[in-house]
Amino acid sequence: QVQLQESGPGLVKPSETLSLTCFFSGASIDTFYFNWIRQPPGKGLEWIGYIYYDGSTKYNPSLKSRVTISLDTSKNQFSLTLTSVTAADTAIYYCATELAYRVFDSWGQGTRVTVSS
Amino acid sequence: EIVLTQSPDTLSLSPGERATLSCRASQSVAGGYLAWYQQKVGQPPRLIIYGASTRATGIPDRFIGSGSGAAFALAINRLEPEDFAVYYCQYYERSQGFTFGPGTKVEVK
Repeated sequence: QVQLQESGPGLVKPSETLSLTCFFSGASIDTFYFNWIRQPPGKGLEWIGYIYYDGSTKYNPSLKSRVTISLDTSKNQFSLTLTSVTAADTAIYYCATELAYRVFDSWGQGTRVTVSS
Repeated sequence: EIVLTQSPDTLSLSPGERATLSCRASQSVAGGYLAWYQQKVGQPPRLIIYGASTRATGIPDRFIGSGSGAAFALAINRLEPEDFAVYYCQYYERSQGFTFGPGTKVEVK
């Protein structure tokens, strides 16, 4: 099973850029889709987007204009950048892998991000 | 855009009872891309069912997924204490990506 660990600042100011990184191990990089998913406090799950090993990406249409996901194969990590954040972006951010069947089979523990001045 | 609706919002049951959770799509969907997750407080979600009815690795056989078209269900037979959690359904569609339902909380009565 893939091991995933998110890292990044827990506090971001409104209008600034949120940047998170997910380190993974136990995965053959050319097998998985690497995803970001978030969960606002007390609410449900929202898929943000994914990157495939070939660099192709797909984003949630509702976030597409503000999201970039990148992959660093040399460091076994992938990253999320979300620009122009507001309080509505406050959430636990999870990284997750998708191997097959269009489901998320491994998850990180999540990292809490608060948007506040 | 496909929207997933789950019912009920909360299910209050006792250990040993059977739980039946519903997930409805706003239009007919391909069952092969319908999944269920379990999430406990303070933990990430865990994949329970994929392809509408296939149990993920290590999931006990008391979890049963079913359905087709726009109506899907997750049944949990003989609830164990560790089964009390929030359950989300999820669907993948090529143009919009992944969508989650709002969740059903299974709580101890």
